[in-house]
Amino acid sequence: QQQVKQSPQSLIVQKGGISIINCAYENTAFDYFPWYQQFPGKGPALLIAIRPDVSEKKEGRFTISFNKSAKQFSLHIMDSQPGDSATYFCAASNDNQGGKLIFGQGTELSVKP
Amino acid sequence: EAGVTQFPSHSVIEKGQTVTLRCDPISGHDNLYWYRRVMGKEIKFLLHFVKESKQDESGMPNNRFLAERTGGTYSTLKVQPAELEDSGVYFCASSYARGTQYFGPGTRLTVL
Repeated sequence: QQQVKQSPQSLIVQKGGISIINCAYENTAFDYFPWYQQFPGKGPALLIAIRPDVSEKKEGRFTISFNKSAKQFSLHIMDSQPGDSATYFCAASNDNQGGKLIFGQGTELSVKP
Repeated sequence: EAGVTQFPSHSVIEKGQTVTLRCDPISGHDNLYWYRRVMGKEIKFLLHFVKESKQDESGMPNNRFLAERTGGTYSTLKVQPAELEDSGVYFCASSYARGTQYFGPGTRLTVL
C-alpha cells in the first residue's frame, strides 16, 4: 500500500513554462511535506518543504500548494529552466514516528530549451 | 563541511554472496537513516538510528539485512546472502535532531 502517490511519472516542459507535480497522501498524521530534487548520480536534496498549518509556501521559482482537506499537495516550478531537469520526489513524515520519510514514486522532469 | 558519504558507489555481486555498504553521516548528526530505491519505484525507508541505537527498523525487508552503527558514527548495512530482488540504489541520510535529512549519493547494488 503506497501512502504517498505522485503524478505524473514524467513531464516535459518548454523553457519558461510552468511545471506542476502533484502528490496525494492517506495518513492524516503526517505533519511535514518536503520536496526533494535529484540529479543523476547524486542523492536527493531538499528543495522546499511545508507543514500543514499553511496552504502555500514560495521560495524563488518554487511553490508548494497544500490542500489539507483534500490530502493533496503540489510543486509548481515557474519559468522552468533546462537546469531544473531532474527527478523530483514528494515525501511526507510524522515527527512522532522518528521523521522517517515516505516518498512518492518520483517525477522525471525534462525542460526543453 | 563534508556531506554524507557512501561507499562503494557501485557493487556488482552474485546471488548468494555478501555485500556490506557503508555510510558516513555529516559530523554531529545523531540521526541516520537508510533507504532503498528499487528501479523506477519510490524510495523506501529501511531503518533509523539515533546515535548507536536502532530507533525503527520496520522497513527492513527480512533477516538477511543487518545494520549497525558503531559508536554512533558511521553505519554499515550488510546483505547476506544477497538475492536478485535486493538490487537497487541504497541511500543513507543523516540529520541533526529531527531536522532536514541530508542524503548521500547512494550505492547502486546489482545482484546477478
